[in-house]
Amino acid sequence: ETGVTQTPRHLVMGMTNKKSLKCEQHLGHNAMYWYKQSAKKPLELMFVYNFKEQTENNSVPSRFSPECPNSSHLFLHLHTLQPEDSALYLCASSQDRRTGNTIYFGEGSWLTVV
Amino acid sequence: AQSVTQPDIHITVSEGASLELRCNYSYGATPYLFWYVQSPGQGLQLLLKYFSGDTLVQGIKGFEAEFKRSQSSFNLRKPSVHWSDAAEYFCAVDPYGGGANNLFFGTGTRLTVIP
Repeated sequence: ETGVTQTPRHLVMGMTNKKSLKCEQHLGHNAMYWYKQSAKKPLELMFVYNFKEQTENNSVPSRFSPECPNSSHLFLHLHTLQPEDSALYLCASSQDRRTGNTIYFGEGSWLTVV
Repeated sequence: AQSVTQPDIHITVSEGASLELRCNYSYGATPYLFWYVQSPGQGLQLLLKYFSGDTLVQGIKGFEAEFKRSQSSFNLRKPSVHWSDAAEYFCAVDPYGGGANNLFFGTGTRLTVIP
């Protein structure tokens, strides 16, 4: 059982669709992250929220839009995606942004863009 | 360019054999170092981490890793592999230590365990 829960686990969407990925953490953490995992590439940090404030946006295209309504929930809103956006999207959390705090990952949401 | 390198894409070992997975990094300062494991269909789980002190660190599931500053390496080892260890292993580096939690990952090493 993971303390970070992601839904849906699998999503297939067309390039004109709008969908959202949801992440919920039950660990009482204050920092939440979105990572993208593509085949043969290192995990890429996309967004970081610390105490509900976005602290990093690593040059992610605007077709990805994060939302953090509270410290326990994180969303990734998707619209007009491209086939190359197909990947595993991992949500993670940590106590806060200070170095050394273990980052806990969810099981990921597999996204396929057709 | 600064990077985390896992030179072995895929390793196959027999159950009961020893294992060593390699990780090299190219950051100037002594970074914080991590190993994560990802089982099929699962998220990443932290195996162990090194911040300072004893350069040999123990982790969960019988894994250990050794930091070698002179080689900029942080190799993961296990003396006797179990079939359940089959997974993808990721080395990660926080190059700035003492700052924000910024992890940079290697491309991973996939471990296959044969009976």
